[in-house]
Amino acid sequence: RKEVEQDPGPFNVPEGATVAFNCTYSNSASQSFFWYRQDCRKEPKLLMSVYSSGNEDGRFTAQLNRASQYISLLIRDSKLSDSATYLCVVNGRSGGGADGLTFGKGTHLIIQP
Amino acid sequence: DTEVTQTPKHLVMGMTNKKSLKCEQHMGHRAMYWYKQKAKKPPELMFVYSYEKLSINESVPSRFSPECPNSSLLNLHLHALQPEDSALYLCATKGPSTDTQYFGPGTRLTVL
Repeated sequence: RKEVEQDPGPFNVPEGATVAFNCTYSNSASQSFFWYRQDCRKEPKLLMSVYSSGNEDGRFTAQLNRASQYISLLIRDSKLSDSATYLCVVNGRSGGGADGLTFGKGTHLIIQP
Repeated sequence: DTEVTQTPKHLVMGMTNKKSLKCEQHMGHRAMYWYKQKAKKPPELMFVYSYEKLSINESVPSRFSPECPNSSLLNLHLHALQPEDSALYLCATKGPSTDTQYFGPGTRLTVL
């Protein structure tokens, strides 16, 4: 089973729409969860951490369900500048003991005018 | 703007060359990482340094040799690489009270 799974997309959505991404992770011992954004040929940049209680940052809302090992990201009122690859990221790897990040393959989002 | 810098931005090298990638941070973070990212793939962890000591080596071939000369610098020495080693090499750092890692802009390496 893959450690962090995401739908690779691409998701093509019109500007102003709401879009949701989902992610599952296999290591139940994982403690920290993130969404990173990566633009073409750039480094990953932290979008937001994800907490069990759910958290919101402007147009972005992240949710974590530890029981289901499921993470989500909701983007409301999408902008053209939201076009990027969204990486679901989990701290630690299967087998435990490491503090490197494990990345999903990313979901490619294209916002269309 | 990132507080993690990497040099060079681009590097082209032959299979017999020796080169080094450099990473520098001034955030006072004591955990530093090397990741490798192939095209259309996610970053993959290579090495972890904690307080200037190598704590994790993800079974990386010996042609990649990391070095952490001080708390601000992280190097990756390259020797006898293969064309399949061509990738974006990312440095990241992490502070003690968080699991959030901050990435440098990366070095795009091409091995001919």
